[in-house]
Amino acid sequence: AQRVTQPEKLLSVFKGAPVELKCNYSYSGSPELFWYVQYSRQRLQLLLRHISRESIKGFTADLNKGETSFHLKKPFAQEEDSAMYYCALTRRGNTGKLIFGQGTTLQVKP
Amino acid sequence: SQTIHQWPATLVQPVGSPLSLECTVEGTSNPNLYWYRQAAGRGLQLLFYSVGIGQISSEVPQNLSASRPQDRQFILSSKKLLLSDSGFYLCAWSPGLAGSYEQYFGPGTRLTVT
Repeated sequence: AQRVTQPEKLLSVFKGAPVELKCNYSYSGSPELFWYVQYSRQRLQLLLRHISRESIKGFTADLNKGETSFHLKKPFAQEEDSAMYYCALTRRGNTGKLIFGQGTTLQVKP
Repeated sequence: SQTIHQWPATLVQPVGSPLSLECTVEGTSNPNLYWYRQAAGRGLQLLFYSVGIGQISSEVPQNLSASRPQDRQFILSSKKLLLSDSGFYLCAWSPGLAGSYEQYFGPGTRLTVT
């Protein structure tokens, strides 16, 4: 069965500290992985996708097929990074259905 | 540019009453459309998706139904609400093209069943 697991409900760090939001997935095939973010009073929006291999707002995520992980990392957290983060998976095809993890709230303290 | 609208923004309904939530997309054609429920501590759960007019797929058995009467209109309904239907409902769309998997979300509807 396809599943996305985010083991931490809440991650609290101080400004300037490194951040790693964990995401593990189970999928028998070649998935496409995403990180979505929801800032306070804003819509859920795409942060980054693994096929882009890009850094957005200082965040990066590497797909590790051996460990079936797609952890989100940032070397130096900023207060404006405080938000709810969701890891999501889709099977390539025309439906584009996303399977989301439970979400992790990142709290960056001053 | 494309935009997605949902209404109402908030809704308080008694148990047993009907429900109709509406979602519309502007600026694109033949999108894939999705309904999600966001529950505290449970993440986002896909309820329904549609790849075209009149084509609805249900992901979980429940008290809800969905319809797509027009290309860019997606409606979530219930004949009789249950307390467990309370939650935050999100509509989303994605380009109906292979390889385009980014989804764009609406502002959501907060439903409270009393």
